[in-house]
This record gives sequence, C-alpha cells and structure tokens, in this order.
Amino acid sequence: ETGVTQTPRHLVMGMTNKKSLKCEQHLGHNAMYWYKQSAKKPLELMFVYSLEERVENNSVPSRFSPECPNSSHLFLHLHTLQPEDSALYLCASSPSRGALEQYFGPGTRLTVT
Amino acid sequence: GDSVTQMEGPVTLSEEAFLTINCTYTATGYPSLFWYVQYPGEGLQLLLKATKADDKGSNKGFEATYRKETTSFHLEKGSVQVSDSAVYFCALSGGYQKVTFGTGTKLQVIP
Repeated sequence: ETGVTQTPRHLVMGMTNKKSLKCEQHLGHNAMYWYKQSAKKPLELMFVYSLEERVENNSVPSRFSPECPNSSHLFLHLHTLQPEDSALYLCASSPSRGALEQYFGPGTRLTVT
Repeated sequence: GDSVTQMEGPVTLSEEAFLTINCTYTATGYPSLFWYVQYPGEGLQLLLKATKADDKGSNKGFEATYRKETTSFHLEKGSVQVSDSAVYFCALSGGYQKVTFGTGTKLQVIP
C-alpha cells in the first residue's frame, strides 16, 4: 500500500450505532488530519494530530471521537450520529504540522439513517 | 479570517476547449496558494502551488499565477481533455499549518 488509505470506503449506520473509521498513511509523515466534506460547502477541518498529540479540535461535537495510537494510524470513532453528519470524511497527512502540502486518502462515504 | 471564493460549477466544456476557473482569496500576510483536484471516487491531490506573488504554478498543462494586487489565483488550461473531468479546489495556507479550502468547482468535459 502506498500513500494514504481509508477504510471502509462506504458506511451506512443508524443513529444509535457505534462505528469507527480508519486511516493509515505510508508516507512517514508526522501530522494527520480529519476533514468533513459536504456538498457545496468548503472542506471542514475537524481534528489535527501532530506526533500523535491532538493539536486542534475545531468545535466538533463529542459524538465524533478521534484517536491516534501512532504516527501512521488515525481513527474516528462515531456514536449516536445525526442524519446531518452524513458526508464524505477525508483523512490527510503531511510531513509536519507546518508543512504546506497535505496528502489525502480517498475518503469514507458515511450515511446516517 | 482567511477565506477562498471560487466560481460555482458545474463547468461543462467540450474537449480541447480553454478552461478558466476563477479563485479569489482573503488572507492576512502572504499566504501560499494551491489548486487541488479530486477525481471521482478519490481523495484530493495537489495539482499545483505558488508560494509568493507573481509565482506561476504549473502541472499537467494547468497553470495559475499568484496575483497579489487582485488577490486571485485563477486556474487555466489551454486544451482540456475528458480525463480532466473532476472537482477542482482552490486553497490557501496563511498561517501555521492551517489550510483553507474553497467549495470546489466541478468540471465536466464532453467528447
């Protein structure tokens, strides 16, 4: 595997379910990001991790819980989501938190029913 | 705060037509500017970048010039192909680590 991978690619869950999204980067980067992509809206930065430490949390509801066990893996734990949380969730990485360019995974298309 | 405004799509062009996608920005200081492309079913990929005024970024036949006087970074290509069909995002990096994206412009190229 190369680059940034995300699993699953598609996820349908009920409002009472608990699920997790996984991201893995094979680039040796030290910073990882979660974004939410909704139709006709700019990408929304959710969380930033640098060297496994959460350095940014952009007022994201507590029903989204990130986890970064090491610099190659990033998870987004989901519970009691709302239908408006349906979106494409993108993971990205960069060599360091200050690096200008980010490398994106293909995303997980989440549908909350 | 920083913001990016790009033209709404979709933009539909015939193959070999000239492409322009407009992008303007608001930022304090001197941001770096980017164009990312998202092909169907994939994540965003960096297409080109410019880090200072009057710089021209180019890649795969696409070009964009950093115009500080008009705060713009318009994307152009002289002759589009069907394979260029994608969503294009203008973005800026104005401060430590933070990247601000536009809403994206969908391009559809028809044979």
